[in-house]
Amino acid sequence: DAGITQSPRYKITETGRQVTLMCHQTWSHSYMFWYRQDLGHGLRLIYYSAAADITDKGEVPDGYVVSRSKTENFPLTLESATRSQTSVYFCASGGGGYNEQFFGPGTRLTVL
Amino acid sequence: AQSVSQHNHHVILSEAASLELGCNYSYGGTVNLFWYVQYPGQHLQLLLKYFSGDPLVKGIKGFEAEFIKSKFSFNLRKPSVQWSDTAEYFCAVRQAAGNKLTFGGGTRVLVKP
Repeated sequence: DAGITQSPRYKITETGRQVTLMCHQTWSHSYMFWYRQDLGHGLRLIYYSAAADITDKGEVPDGYVVSRSKTENFPLTLESATRSQTSVYFCASGGGGYNEQFFGPGTRLTVL
Repeated sequence: AQSVSQHNHHVILSEAASLELGCNYSYGGTVNLFWYVQYPGQHLQLLLKYFSGDPLVKGIKGFEAEFIKSKFSFNLRKPSVQWSDTAEYFCAVRQAAGNKLTFGGGTRVLVKP
């Protein structure tokens, strides 16, 4: 089915472990985004990508790494997870310019 | 850097009441404005958006929003809410022709049957 998917939907990990959250879209949107959602902060942009092999930092990039080797995939890696990274992570895609962003179902990550 | 403020963090209403959620932003240039809704356990969905033209924008599910440039505001309204409108509502702003959204902190709306 067309759309944007995220995996896993739920993840529990321990401090110091590496975690990768996956995001896949089937619309061939050029732009993809990663946000984290925390109570009282709304959604904050972590990283975004304008096209394959082009990525840039958002508002809260520290502790995260992204890559985009293919247009349809935009994985987010926490290299050494910390408790402060416990959050709900949303991936989004859009065409840029006058187009809206479409959001995935989210990944709830708990770091113990 | 631009910022977005949603002054009401929680709103509790009864069915058939009218709803108005405030949104103010800080960027002085031309902006694109959005309202997203997140129903319990679901992902964000677009309610409506404003790019240019008529400042009164109508969206899905009976929602509308009014852009008042002089007040840097984009308030969301619905004349008569239903229990199914229980959700969290997010205002978002993007610099015109830009790509990054800045979100407000969200407003949780509970509609009592």
